[in-house]
Amino acid sequence: NAGVTQTPKFRILKIGQSMTLQCAQDMNHNYMYWYRQDPGMGLKLIYYSVGAGITDKGEVPNGYNVSRSTTEDFPLRLELAAPSQTSVYFCASSHSRELNEAFFGQGTRLTVV
Amino acid sequence: DAKTTQPNSMESNEEEPVHLPCNHSTISGTDYIHWYRQLPSQGPEYVIHGLTSNVNNRMASLAIAEDRKSSTLILHRATLRDAAVYYCILRDGKDSSYKLIFGSGTRLLVRP
Repeated sequence: NAGVTQTPKFRILKIGQSMTLQCAQDMNHNYMYWYRQDPGMGLKLIYYSVGAGITDKGEVPNGYNVSRSTTEDFPLRLELAAPSQTSVYFCASSHSRELNEAFFGQGTRLTVV
Repeated sequence: DAKTTQPNSMESNEEEPVHLPCNHSTISGTDYIHWYRQLPSQGPEYVIHGLTSNVNNRMASLAIAEDRKSSTLILHRATLRDAAVYYCILRDGKDSSYKLIFGSGTRLLVRP
């Protein structure tokens, strides 16, 4: 199993540009999450999804959008990139509440200049 | 979301046990105690979790106080690979999203 796969690994964006961070999992997990991590800080929850077609805001959703059309994929869209969105982005998934364990991707390092 | 308090950093010698404390005085009856760790330049990885009883797995042990207001993650023999940031997280069992809300964690330094 590949687990949670994030693409790209690195990206430099100019202010005002848009991009989509891809996240895919092959574990048939219902729950998926997007986090951002600024240097030296803990992770902040951006958006999450409890199943296909269902998404909700986390702690820091402004400037981002998500969709969940399939169980496997949970893309994160940045519209009008700003320097404050420079961060490392992590996607995570988990199967169910009972199994508890969440699996994280390796991250996407985004720089907005 | 209930809060946790952890020391910013701790140090340990290689091959010695490490006890990482976590205070969660406002924990509710449905909160599970989770520990994750993040190795340098990697995503977090699951370590262990528990509700009321002490738990053991191949990575670590989790000791939960009787009143559940604190817990301790125990690494029995620290290795250099255990140098990481360790996060103690309360996960609400009633929350249908079962999301993880991270704090700032404890940075563990392991001396050879």
